[in-house]
Amino acid sequence: RKEVEQDPGPFNVPEGATVAFNCTYSNSASQSFFWYRQDCRKEPKLLMSVYSSGNEDGRFTAQLNRASQYISLLIRDSKLSDSATYLCVVNLNNYGQNFVFGPGTRLSVLP
Amino acid sequence: DVKVTQSSRYLVKRTGEKVFLECVQDMDHENMFWYRQDPGLGLRLIYFSYDVKMKEKGDIPEGYSVSREKKERFSLILESASTNQTSMYLCASSFKGPAGQPQHFGDGTRLSIL
Repeated sequence: RKEVEQDPGPFNVPEGATVAFNCTYSNSASQSFFWYRQDCRKEPKLLMSVYSSGNEDGRFTAQLNRASQYISLLIRDSKLSDSATYLCVVNLNNYGQNFVFGPGTRLSVLP
Repeated sequence: DVKVTQSSRYLVKRTGEKVFLECVQDMDHENMFWYRQDPGLGLRLIYFSYDVKMKEKGDIPEGYSVSREKKERFSLILESASTNQTSMYLCASSFKGPAGQPQHFGDGTRLSIL
């Protein structure tokens, strides 16, 4: 079983749609959690950290369920510019050293 | 804003050459990382460093070495480049603590070995 698994995708949605991505992780000792976005042929960029109580940043909402070892990302009112690959990332220690990346889920927002 | 700078966006080298990829960060991060990313394989960790002159092997260190002589700079060395090392190389850095520190990536270097 892979350490971090994500929806296989791709997701093709119309502009304005709400889309949700799911991620599961296998190591119950995981300490911190992130969503990154990666545009084609570019570097991953931090979208948001994921906190235990859930957190929101504009149209983006992230949730964490430690008991189920599950992370989600919700994007509301999708824009064309949201088209990218979304990477779920788990950090296994408290020293910023042991990051495990999911394979990514590709999103295409269509006009 | 954190700035992680990689020395080249695109690089073309020949088989057997010794290749140096340089990475500099300006945020006094203790941790620095080198990954490669290939289609269908995701990001794979080559090496990371948690302090000056300290290094740890990642998942795919074979054929690579690293150097960290100064805190802000982390170099990846391909000792004798081979065609299977053609890839996108990504440098990243992060604070050692407190908990919850994310990684920040450079723009990447697209390396082609001919």
